[in-house]
Amino acid sequence: EVQLVESGGGLVQPGGSLRLSCTASGFTFSSYTMSWVRQAPGKGLEWVSYITSRDATIYYADSVKGRFTISRDNAKNSLYLQMNSLRDEDTAVYYCARHRAGPFDPWGQGTLVTVSS
Amino acid sequence: DIAMTQSPDSLAVSLGERATINCKSSQSVFYSSNNKNYLAWYQQKPGQPPKLLIYWASTRESGVPDRFSGSGSGTDFTLTISSLQAEDVAVYYCHQYYSVSQITFGGGTRVEIK
Repeated sequence: EVQLVESGGGLVQPGGSLRLSCTASGFTFSSYTMSWVRQAPGKGLEWVSYITSRDATIYYADSVKGRFTISRDNAKNSLYLQMNSLRDEDTAVYYCARHRAGPFDPWGQGTLVTVSS
Repeated sequence: DIAMTQSPDSLAVSLGERATINCKSSQSVFYSSNNKNYLAWYQQKPGQPPKLLIYWASTRESGVPDRFSGSGSGTDFTLTISSLQAEDVAVYYCHQYYSVSQITFGGGTRVEIK
């Protein structure tokens, strides 16, 4: 079964840092482009960051550029999101998602990040 | 960035009736070299991640009931649920993957039972 499992979410103070992880199973992780997508409470979906299979290309949404860093370890079937200088507006459920030649499929169950003092 | 505008924000439809959701992109998401529209639709139920329904604007994902269909090209797209079932109550999102450097989603449409 193709599966993505996120971890690392939690409560952090404004200005703090957090590192999210996404562990993949059931497919050849190293062959796929991956993204992080977030969803603030009661709000819609917002794409955060994108990384190709061999780290050749990385993109960020303007809202996180310079603060977040996406990375991956293909040997560990893992995707990461290092989040620094966190703000209240970064509070959201963070999903990792596989690019299946375009659309996202599947998505993980998500991990909640709460930025609050 | 390619802005995606969905309408309506919400709609209430009787069981067995048709539900129609619209999605408009601020620029074309049609790639002429492969004749494909880089547009997907997702269904999200409360407490769950989004689920892929339709990709390339009109290709139904395996296992998705055939009451779900996608249409449109260029900048205007539609998701149609031909006969609404109780299990279709959800929020639906369109997504353009034409510009992978700035991926964008529509704002979502909430579908409820009238």
